[in-house]
Amino acid sequence: AAGVIQSPRHLIKEKRETATLKCYPIPRHDTVYWYQQGPGQDPQFLISFYEKMQSDKGSIPDRFSAQQFSDYHSELNMSSLELGDSALYFCASSLDSSSGNEQFFGPGTRLTVL
Amino acid sequence: SQKIEQNSEALNIQEGKTATLTCNYTNYSPAYLQWYRQDPGRGPVFLLLIRENEKEKRKERLKVTFDTTLKQSLFHITASQPADSATYLCALTLDSSYKLIFGSGTRLLVRP
Repeated sequence: AAGVIQSPRHLIKEKRETATLKCYPIPRHDTVYWYQQGPGQDPQFLISFYEKMQSDKGSIPDRFSAQQFSDYHSELNMSSLELGDSALYFCASSLDSSSGNEQFFGPGTRLTVL
Repeated sequence: SQKIEQNSEALNIQEGKTATLTCNYTNYSPAYLQWYRQDPGRGPVFLLLIRENEKEKRKERLKVTFDTTLKQSLFHITASQPADSATYLCALTLDSSYKLIFGSGTRLLVRP
């Protein structure tokens, strides 16, 4: 079965640079979520999209932005990167109409800011 | 303040025994409670979901209970196997939002 695809899997950037993370949800899933997981931490919700509209916003810095495109893939844009942005970034997708909203996570993008 | 607490210490058990993991929450009224498994460096994998009006849910060797009075969920793995060794995360979903609010996770080690 198709899973959530994230690219790149690894990314190394310098401070103050920008990064773009991509997420391709499971086919027919209409909702995408972004989570950030720091070392030894639990995943923290950043932002979500339903049918290409932002549906919820969590602890996402103003330096970050995201969108969902017409093909339902999503991109997380991160600017003015800081050392503290180093983390695993997960994208998850779900079917909004499913009862309970179990989410299917991608393999993550490991971002390292030097 | 709002909190979701899971045992921070690793749970170390012998193969074949039942593992029981605890998730307690404070100042939340979740519509759903979910359990995920996470292996190092990988994304969480959905295991089970239980609704606020359900007491228990089972799936193969897994069982989840949900007590909204105690504000607690218990996650059981029966006949545990070394392959069950991982970190287990509980996560709440509120009625107002579909985002997952995760606990800090409990690491389970199953000895052969």
